[in-house]
Amino acid sequence: AQSVTQPDIHITVSEGASLELRCNYSYGATPYLFWYVQSPGQGLQLLLKYFSGDTLVQGIKGFEAEFKRSQSSFNLRKPSVHWSDAAEYFCAVAPPGGSYIPTFGRGTSLIVHP
Amino acid sequence: SQTIHQWPATLVQPVGSPLSLECTVEGTSNPNLYWYRQAAGRGLQLLFYSVGIGQISSEVPQNLSASRPQDRQFILSSKKLLLSDSGFYLCASTGLAGIDTQYFGPGTRLTVL
Repeated sequence: AQSVTQPDIHITVSEGASLELRCNYSYGATPYLFWYVQSPGQGLQLLLKYFSGDTLVQGIKGFEAEFKRSQSSFNLRKPSVHWSDAAEYFCAVAPPGGSYIPTFGRGTSLIVHP
Repeated sequence: SQTIHQWPATLVQPVGSPLSLECTVEGTSNPNLYWYRQAAGRGLQLLFYSVGIGQISSEVPQNLSASRPQDRQFILSSKKLLLSDSGFYLCASTGLAGIDTQYFGPGTRLTVL
């Protein structure tokens, strides 16, 4: 079975600073990888996904993530954070093919200071 | 892309009362459907998923149940709510064959008093 670890429960950055949210996974092969964002009281919105191919994935809202097989990681980055980026971020993994049951990390709460 | 509707948006129910949360999906056919619960400050807990009409798999044994009476309709129910059932309930859907992106509804905030 797959598992996901988001080691940071909270991250605080200043507006305009760069951001990196960490995600590590455990799976026997290369899984499907996802990052979602959740604003308070809302559902989850997909930021980006990796299935195969180029290991640097571009997403919406200026986010990108890089898949590193050797480190079993899929870290989310943004070069300049905006106050509106304050939210909860979830990394998820799913086995390729099959019945598609993704596993979500516990989430990282992003706080943005003005 | 898909659109997922959930209702009600918020619900306050007494302990021991019944529950029915509804989820409907637009923009796809034969989706995989999922019910998640999110407790305050916690991640997502998968409760049920369905790969077709009448096909329900339960991930966590509890006093909740799910049904899929139509292709794009997924219902979460309980006969008697517990305090521990409070939380944020999210419905999600994937596309054909399940090899796709998971889309989420806006959620239902359930408070059991």
